[in-house]
Amino acid sequence: AQSVTQLDSQVPVFEEAPVELRCNYSSSVSVYLFWYVQYPNQGLQLLLKYLSGSTLVKGINGFEAEFNKSQTSFHLRKPSVHISDTAEYFCAVSRPSGSARQLTFGSGTQLTVLP
Amino acid sequence: DGGITQSPKYLFRKEGQNVTLSCEQNLNHDAMYWYRQDPGQGLRLIYYSQIVNDFQKGDIAEGYSVSREKKESFPLTVTSAQKNPTAFYLCASSTGHVNTEAFFGQGTRLTVV
Repeated sequence: AQSVTQLDSQVPVFEEAPVELRCNYSSSVSVYLFWYVQYPNQGLQLLLKYLSGSTLVKGINGFEAEFNKSQTSFHLRKPSVHISDTAEYFCAVSRPSGSARQLTFGSGTQLTVLP
Repeated sequence: DGGITQSPKYLFRKEGQNVTLSCEQNLNHDAMYWYRQDPGQGLRLIYYSQIVNDFQKGDIAEGYSVSREKKESFPLTVTSAQKNPTAFYLCASSTGHVNTEAFFGQGTRLTVV
């Protein structure tokens, strides 16, 4: 079975400061990794995904994430945040084989950008 | 525009009543999913369907039922057997291939009064 741990439930940060949202996963097989963003009372939107290849993945809105196989991590980063980045962020993992029930989500990290 | 439509956005239900949440997609996706979201618990899978006329229980299926009579539609019924139905419900779809992401609807907030 696979699982995802988001280490911080709340991350407050000042505008224009850098931010890192942490995600660790456990799986006995190789996985695909995703970061989603959710604005209040909205659905989830894909930020970026790692399938294979370069371990540094760039996504929308200036976000990037780095896959670290030895540490089983997939941390999300942004060098300078904006007020509009305030949202909840979910890390998710899927297995490269299996049925359609592939996504396992972390419990989410609420990013609050302060003026 | 292609996407997933959930309706209604807000829904109120009296205790003991069944209620059905609608989910429609025009992305031509084979797979569809229902998730429940509670504060601090992330998303938990209720039911999923890989193809028309077939669906499987997820992690928290008790008190819920679904149907998949058409590729575009995957309605979720919250029955009176669901002890704590107040939550935010999200529908999603995907091609069904594990290397493609899921696309989400805007959600339905169900409140039991």
